Amino acid sequence: NAGVTQTPKFQVLKTGQSMTLQCAQDMNHNSMYWYRQDPGMGLRLIYYSASEGTTDKGEVPNGYNVSRLNKREFSLRLESAAPSQTSVYFCASRRESSYNEQFFGPGTRLTVL
Amino acid sequence: SQKIEQNSEALNIQEGKTATLTCNYTNYSPAYLQWYRQDPGRGPVFLLLIRENEKEKRKERLKVTFDTTLKQSLFHITASQPADSATYLCALEAAGNKLTFGGGTRVLVKP
Repeated sequence: NAGVTQTPKFQVLKTGQSMTLQCAQDMNHNSMYWYRQDPGMGLRLIYYSASEGTTDKGEVPNGYNVSRLNKREFSLRLESAAPSQTSVYFCASRRESSYNEQFFGPGTRLTVL
Repeated sequence: SQKIEQNSEALNIQEGKTATLTCNYTNYSPAYLQWYRQDPGRGPVFLLLIRENEKEKRKERLKVTFDTTLKQSLFHITASQPADSATYLCALEAAGNKLTFGGGTRVLVKP
């Protein structure tokens, strides 16, 4: 099991450029999440998907779009990158168990110049 | 507004001692609270869950308490080791199986 995988690991964009962050999980989880992590701010939820075909906004959705392509894959798109979107992005999936634990990918470090 | 607070200052502790971290929250009524560990350059890893009707949970050298009256959770690492050095995040369950995370506390265990 690879768990949760994310690509790319690092990316540098210029203001106004677009890109898609890819995420996939092989644990057959229904729920998937996108977070951003900034120094001193903790993880903030951007979007989540409770099941294939559904998505919903989190705490900081502005400037982002998502696609739940199938049960495995959940992508995050920046249509017109801004310096304020410089951050580390984590994808996660949740196991439906008594612990409801989330499993995180290794993260994508994005810099917008 | 809803808030989760963890001590943003790093906790420096001597090997073998007990590290105690605090997670305080306001304007939440969570059904459960989770603790995660995060190493530099990696994603968080789940450690423990404690429910609102549980006072204490243990896992190996870790102990978590949950006081819904004080709106506080304490996270203890007993007999700490240098390998315990990491950032520890608390997370509260919000509606719809979403989590809200605190800012994390960095722990540095010195040999």
